[in-house]
Amino acid sequence: QKEVEQDPGPLSVPEGAIVSLNCTYSNSAFQYFMWYRQYSRKGPELLMYTYSSGNKEDGRFTAQVDKSSKYISLFIRDSQPSDSATYLCAMSALGQGGKLIFGQGTELSVKP
Amino acid sequence: GAGVSQSPRYKVAKRGQDVALRCDPISGHVSLFWYQQALGQGPEFLTYFQNEAQLDKSGLPSDRFFAERPEGSVSTLKIQRTQQEDSAVYLCASGDLRAYEQYFGPGTRLTVT
Repeated sequence: QKEVEQDPGPLSVPEGAIVSLNCTYSNSAFQYFMWYRQYSRKGPELLMYTYSSGNKEDGRFTAQVDKSSKYISLFIRDSQPSDSATYLCAMSALGQGGKLIFGQGTELSVKP
Repeated sequence: GAGVSQSPRYKVAKRGQDVALRCDPISGHVSLFWYQQALGQGPEFLTYFQNEAQLDKSGLPSDRFFAERPEGSVSTLKIQRTQQEDSAVYLCASGDLRAYEQYFGPGTRLTVT
């Protein structure tokens, strides 16, 4: 079993929809939680970064961490075709030097 | 400002050849990471440097893989006697001392034939 599980999709939604992307994890030592967006043939781009539990909002993006359930989410409001990409969750534990453990990635397609 | 750059962007190697992949991190970033990304998968950690010191190389798949960062800036990932299973995208990321916010380069796509 992988430390971080993420549904690979693909997920297809109409433009303007609210998108919910999720990851579960098994390592209770994870304290840092990130969401990356990766366009085809590009490197991952850091979207959101959260320490420990709670919510964080940045524009149309909201990240939530529920450590009690070992579950993290990324919500995208008013989705746009330009949001079409693969979304990767990543996590790190204290004392690991920043080593990131990634999920498999969810492929999202937003249709005009 | 300039981001992380990697070269070459694409590399085709015959099985058994040695390859060297270069990473230029964001200026001033002390932390540097290498990840390997197979098709349809998330990146997997290979190794980590803080300045010139290689603090973690637990993800290197075999002793054919070697990384260095001699002056604490540019890093090179070397793969000796390449095998077909080495075909993947190799990503470099850099960050500040805390290292939890990592900024990735575009990757080098290695194909071993």
